[in-house]
Amino acid sequence: EAGVAQSPRYKIIEKRQSVAFWCNPISGHATLYWYQQILGQGPKLLIQFQNNGVVDDSQLPKDRFSAERLKGVDSTLKIQPAKLEDSAVYLCASRTPDGYQETQYFGPGTRLLVL
Amino acid sequence: GNSVTQMEGPVTLSEEAFLTINCTYTATGYPSLFWYVQYPGEGLQLLLKATKADDKGSNKGFEATYRKETTSFHLEKGSVQVSDSAVYFCALSGDNFGNEKLTFGTGTRLTIIP
Repeated sequence: EAGVAQSPRYKIIEKRQSVAFWCNPISGHATLYWYQQILGQGPKLLIQFQNNGVVDDSQLPKDRFSAERLKGVDSTLKIQPAKLEDSAVYLCASRTPDGYQETQYFGPGTRLLVL
Repeated sequence: GNSVTQMEGPVTLSEEAFLTINCTYTATGYPSLFWYVQYPGEGLQLLLKATKADDKGSNKGFEATYRKETTSFHLEKGSVQVSDSAVYFCALSGDNFGNEKLTFGTGTRLTIIP
């Protein structure tokens, strides 16, 4: 079974530029998450999708971050404009819709450096 | 809200030593508890989980028991190997729709020396 795919793996941009990350979850996983992991910290949830609907985006900085999952499969996370403090690893995870007890499977992450 | 407090690192042990990484949590209801591991250069992988009180999760020689009375989920291994060197994250997930996100601890970096 293929795992969660993410691209790109690394990205370096200047502040105030925009950037987009892509995630392809495990086939059949209706629930998809984006996390931000700042160096030395645990991942923090940015947004959760159930199919193509948003379940939780309470910690997403909506003035600069946006995310979509138009067909309930792939998802894109965008930052516009980027700030220095956005330097982090952005992790995508997915799980089956069977409930909160189910394991979340993580992709390898996209490491973003904002200069 | 939910929170996870994890043992500060880094932790350095000799091969075959006994390992304990402490984890305590604060949550309402009946969360599920997880240990994830992040090997150098790789993504997060589930190590083990427990979904109700007194459950013991185990995998690859690691164990953790869900203790509701002490709100703890400490990770243990009887004899560590060099290949166990990684960052370990304790996490919990809420128990109702809309509160299912994983809340992570800050991670504990473990280094095993031969």
